[in-house]
This record gives sequence, structure tokens and C-alpha cells, in this order.
Amino acid sequence: DQQVKQNSPSLSVQEGRISILNCDYTNSMFDYFLWYKKYPAEGPTFLISISSIKDKNEDGRFTVFLNKSAKHLSLHIVPSQPGDSAVYFCASWAETGANNLFFGTGTRLTVIP
Amino acid sequence: EAGVAQSPRYKIIEKRQSVAFWCNPISGHATLYWYQQILGQGPKLLIQFQNNGVVDDSQLPKDRFSAERLKGVDSTLKIQPAKLEDSAVYLCASSQTSGASYEQYFGPGTRLTVT
Repeated sequence: DQQVKQNSPSLSVQEGRISILNCDYTNSMFDYFLWYKKYPAEGPTFLISISSIKDKNEDGRFTVFLNKSAKHLSLHIVPSQPGDSAVYFCASWAETGANNLFFGTGTRLTVIP
Repeated sequence: EAGVAQSPRYKIIEKRQSVAFWCNPISGHATLYWYQQILGQGPKLLIQFQNNGVVDDSQLPKDRFSAERLKGVDSTLKIQPAKLEDSAVYLCASSQTSGASYEQYFGPGTRLTVT
């Protein structure tokens, strides 16, 4: 049962433009949502998170938006840079029950110079 | 601050052989996780330790996989005997026990190929 879904396996964006990565989830008990970035041959690196009580969190070029009613979150990268090219994983975490992360399948972002 | 260390980085074995992976978490992180990431999928939790106790091993195939965390620091994950479907990247992660405990920090992973 895939509780976190990333329906776009890949995305290509021109340098300087906005990248929008999407994620959907099914479990309304999730308390935190995170985005991880992964380069080849490296482990995922924590990028940004958002609590379920917020609808937006911003950190420099990265902004995460949460729509709880739609069970949807998105990551915006503005402006996109070639170094942002990586696989991005959405993950969710619940305070109750097993405190572990549920990951989506990832979206490969390619920023074209 | 040193990150999560894992070894080896790559391992190739034949099916039915055994293999072991090692992880050293970030200093002071009491919680340690082992994930399996199959190609094209997101990481899937295998086992979670809090200090040297198991919190969750519901997704660990216990007939062939085992893990331990002696002294609440380093951890080893073992597969015996390996199957072809065990080919994956095995990721170790750690997190704090308080505050942003949902923020997990990952090691570089061990890529296992079973032939």
C-alpha cells in the first residue's frame, strides 16, 4: 500500500525557471512532510520540511506548500539551477504509531543550462 | 559534524551467500534506521532501533535478514542466505530522539548486487 505517491517520474526545466515537484498522500494522520534530494551514489539529503499545521514553509530558493484537504504537497524551486538536478523524494511522518518515514518513488529533476 | 558512515559501498555476491553491512550513525543520535531501496522505488524501512532496542522490525524478512545495534551506537545488517530480489541499495539513517526527530540523516548506502 503506497501511502505516499509521486506520479511524475521525471521533470525537465530550463535554468532560471521554476521547478514544481508534486506529491500526494493517503494517510491523514501524517504530521510532518519532508523533501529529500538524492544525487547518484549518495544517500538522500534532507532539504525542507513542513508541519501539518502549516500550509507553507520557505527556505531560500525552496518552498513547500501543503494542501491538507487535497492531501497534496508540492516543492517549488525558484530559480532552478543546474546543481539542483537530482532525484527528489517526498516523505511523510506520523507522531503516533511507528515513527518512521514513508517515501514516495521519487522524481528525477533535470535543470537544463 | 561527521555524517552517517556506511561500509562497504558496493558488494557483489552470489545467491545463497551471506553478506553484512555496517553503519555508524551521527554522534549523539539515539535512533538508527535501516532502509532498503530497490531501483526505481523510494526507500523502505526495514528496522528501527532506539539506542540498542528494536522499535519496529515489522518489514524485516526475519527468515533471512537480521540486524543488531550493540552498545547503542554502531549497527550491522546481515542477509543469509541472499536472494536475487535482495539486490538493492541498503541505506542507514539516524535521527535525534527529541525535537525534529522526523529529520533523518542518511549515509551513502551500500549497493548490493546478488547474481
